[in-house]
Amino acid sequence: ETGVTQTPRHLVMGMTNKKSLKCEQHLGHNAMYWYKQSAKKPLELMFVYSLEERVENNSVPSRFSPECPNSSHLFLHLHTLQPEDSALYLCASSQLSSGSSNTGELFFGEGSRLTVL
Amino acid sequence: GQNIDQPTEMTATEGAIVQINCTYQTSGFNGLFWYQQHAGEAPTFLSYNVLDGLEEKGRFSSFLSRSKGYSYLLLKELQMKDSASYLCAVSDSNYQLIWGAGTKLIIKP
Repeated sequence: ETGVTQTPRHLVMGMTNKKSLKCEQHLGHNAMYWYKQSAKKPLELMFVYSLEERVENNSVPSRFSPECPNSSHLFLHLHTLQPEDSALYLCASSQLSSGSSNTGELFFGEGSRLTVL
Repeated sequence: GQNIDQPTEMTATEGAIVQINCTYQTSGFNGLFWYQQHAGEAPTFLSYNVLDGLEEKGRFSSFLSRSKGYSYLLLKELQMKDSASYLCAVSDSNYQLIWGAGTKLIIKP
């Protein structure tokens, strides 16, 4: 059983729709992430929230908008997406600390499979 | 630039041993991770190496050579359930993970 849950698991949307992906972590971690996973490509980090503050990622198009209302919840708001945005969107959490013992291990949700028509 | 290389796909036989290699070039190094991802499921943590040498955990072992920018994941006594993608990731100087594209491992009876 994963400590990170994502909804919905599958989403089909048109290019003019607005939808949101939701992520919740039950691990007490202080950092949360959105990743994009496309076939045969490395995981692409989209956004990081550390202690509820967003680390900017200028390469992500503005049609993706994250929201982190608290340390346990993370949203990805989607608006006017393109077909090339179809992918698996993975949420992850980790416990970051200033000590050298921090391995930064990520705990992933099972992802939201997005198809843009 | 930063780069992680691993084979796209490998095939092995049930009961055998397979070694999945990963080479990296990153700005700084704070450890190397291996994750396993079954189709349609979340990636799950397998191992973490920050010092040179071999880390053994049951049927799985992971090796690191920092001077060579090289790691491998060794899977022994392969089982059909080991069919999955194996992701290599390096933590850089900012503790950001740089990911490889993953190696799809196919186990045949």
